Amino acid sequence: SQQGEEDPQALSIQEGENATMNCSYKTSINNLQWYRQNSGRGLVHLILIRSNEREKHSGRLRVTLDTSKKSSSLLITASRAADTASYFCATVPNGGATNKLIFGTGTLLAVQP
Amino acid sequence: KAGVTQTPRYLIKTRGQQVTLSCSPISGHRSVSWYQQTPGQGLQFLFEYFSETQRNKGNFPGRFSGRQFSNSRSEMNVSTLELGDSALYLCASSSLLTDTQYFGPGTRLTVL
Repeated sequence: SQQGEEDPQALSIQEGENATMNCSYKTSINNLQWYRQNSGRGLVHLILIRSNEREKHSGRLRVTLDTSKKSSSLLITASRAADTASYFCATVPNGGATNKLIFGTGTLLAVQP
Repeated sequence: KAGVTQTPRYLIKTRGQQVTLSCSPISGHRSVSWYQQTPGQGLQFLFEYFSETQRNKGNFPGRFSGRQFSNSRSEMNVSTLELGDSALYLCASSSLLTDTQYFGPGTRLTVL
């Protein structure tokens, strides 16, 4: 069963706009990670945020984590057509195995040129 | 460094057959994890191997098994295939120095 629910399920925006995706999870976590998947291919790791961190940046990506609400958000600024993909959050539960990721349901992002 | 490689990329089998998928991790990575991705169930953890030992296991029936070799390459086997086993099978490798898993391109299995 999946730990995370992502919202929205699908998002369509224009190039240059910002895209925000949200992830909610059920149990306390050690860390939360975001991955991108292009058209049914392999997953690409984007960013990892630990349970004691509140915000993290990487290039055009900004991730926030609110452990009291058991939620995270991924913001992609100044989106490009190449950002079109599915985005998944994945958690490592507290006390859980480091390499046993529990994935959310994913958000399908379409960036229109 | 070369990335994670998976072979074959595509596979078509019929019900009742068995299949073996292969994964070669990034050089130096000793942990290999396997995931199944389906439209209905999403991404689910199958198992993890570390230093030739299964370290973690997901909630899949015994028809799903795996192993890891001394060079860290891993194989997973599915016996008595069912239609519901049609999926994208992803493997990921990681090192002791990082919490990041690096995924291969996947093997798309179709069971007819």
